[in-house]
Amino acid sequence: QKEVEQDPGPLSVPEGAIVSLNCTYSNSAFQYFMWYRQYSRKGPELLMYTYSSGNKEDGRFTAQVDKSSKYISLFIRDSQPSDSATYLCAMSDSGGSNYKLTFGKGTLLTVNP
Amino acid sequence: DGGITQSPKYLFRKEGQNVTLSCEQNLNHDAMYWYRQDPGQGLRLIYYSQIVNDFQKGDIAEGYSVSREKKESFPLTVTSAQKNPTAFYLCASRDTGELFFGEGSRLTVL
Repeated sequence: QKEVEQDPGPLSVPEGAIVSLNCTYSNSAFQYFMWYRQYSRKGPELLMYTYSSGNKEDGRFTAQVDKSSKYISLFIRDSQPSDSATYLCAMSDSGGSNYKLTFGKGTLLTVNP
Repeated sequence: DGGITQSPKYLFRKEGQNVTLSCEQNLNHDAMYWYRQDPGQGLRLIYYSQIVNDFQKGDIAEGYSVSREKKESFPLTVTSAQKNPTAFYLCASRDTGELFFGEGSRLTVL
């Protein structure tokens, strides 16, 4: 079993739809969870950063972490064509000097106008 | 503006040649990282460095080498021993929070 599994894409939705992106993981030591957005031929940029379990909201984006189920989600409300990108989940078991991120493979999202 | 600069953006090389990818940051971050990204593979860690003059192997270090002589710089050399070097290479840095990524370097070996 891979450490981080991310729902396979591609995912295509109409503009205005609610998008749900998910990852599962096997390492119970993970406690820092991130979502990155990556446009084509660009470097990833951080969208959401969550420590431990719970929800975090930032504008149209909501990140959820359920450590008991080893499951994280990113919700995008009122999706826009500019949200079309690859979304990568990432997680780490340490916030200190041994910090390393383990990434999911990414989900390609297309929002159609 | 503060950020991470990777160069070159695109690079073509013949098989058997070593290539060095540059990564410079002016964010004053201690830690720097190199990732490789292949279609359908996500990001895989090659090397990382927490401080100057020190670095550790990541998950796929074979065929790669790095140096960290200055805090701002973390160049990656793709050697001829790397069996499948064609990929998108991403450099990142970190202080105490999240990773910040550069724009990437796409290496194609002909």
